[in-house]
Amino acid sequence: AQKITQTQPGMFVQEKEAVTLDCTYDTSDPSYGLFWYKQPSSGEMIFLIYQGSYDQQNATEGRYSLNFQKARKSANLVISASQLGDSAMYFCAMREAQDNFNKFYFGSGTKLNVKP
Amino acid sequence: DTAVSQTPKYLVTQMGNDKSIKCEQNLGHDTMYWYKQDSKKFLKIMFSYNNKELIINETVPNRFSPKSPDKAHLNLHINSLELGDSAVYFCASSREGGRGAFFGQGTRLTVV
Repeated sequence: AQKITQTQPGMFVQEKEAVTLDCTYDTSDPSYGLFWYKQPSSGEMIFLIYQGSYDQQNATEGRYSLNFQKARKSANLVISASQLGDSAMYFCAMREAQDNFNKFYFGSGTKLNVKP
Repeated sequence: DTAVSQTPKYLVTQMGNDKSIKCEQNLGHDTMYWYKQDSKKFLKIMFSYNNKELIINETVPNRFSPKSPDKAHLNLHINSLELGDSAVYFCASSREGGRGAFFGQGTRLTVV
């Protein structure tokens, strides 16, 4: 089974609107971390946000927030007030304690296009 | 200063050649990784090193040999390059048990 599933290959959003990128994960490990990365067309991987499995509150970093629903095993990324510079590939990732957190599993990515 | 730097950024070479990609991190992290991103953008771990020790080797052909001379460096040497090795290779590092991994800018390898 895939560890991380991103079901939206591509998304469009109007500038200044909010957008949610979906991510579901599969683990039986009680201790894990969830991450989102942004990959613009220039190719670099930019770390955006982290959520620990024991964190009680949803993580937020500026315009990024992670909607963590543990029972549903989902970790959706919400980008508020989209900007043209948000157009990029977005990857959800996970690492687990059973691997001693030594391995990140990545989803297949969602390509976000922000329209002016 | 770049946190995780890898060189070269682009590498074009002929089949059968041997090439190396270098990676250095100045973050003081304990763990370093090599990831391969294929043409469909899928990222797959190849190797993980913790304090210079190989921790994870994900069924990568033995033509690929990582080397970690110290905690701050993790180089990737590839022998007898094949067309299917064409991809973007990312080096990354993270603190042990820490949060995110920080990635280098990637090396686009093209085998012709």
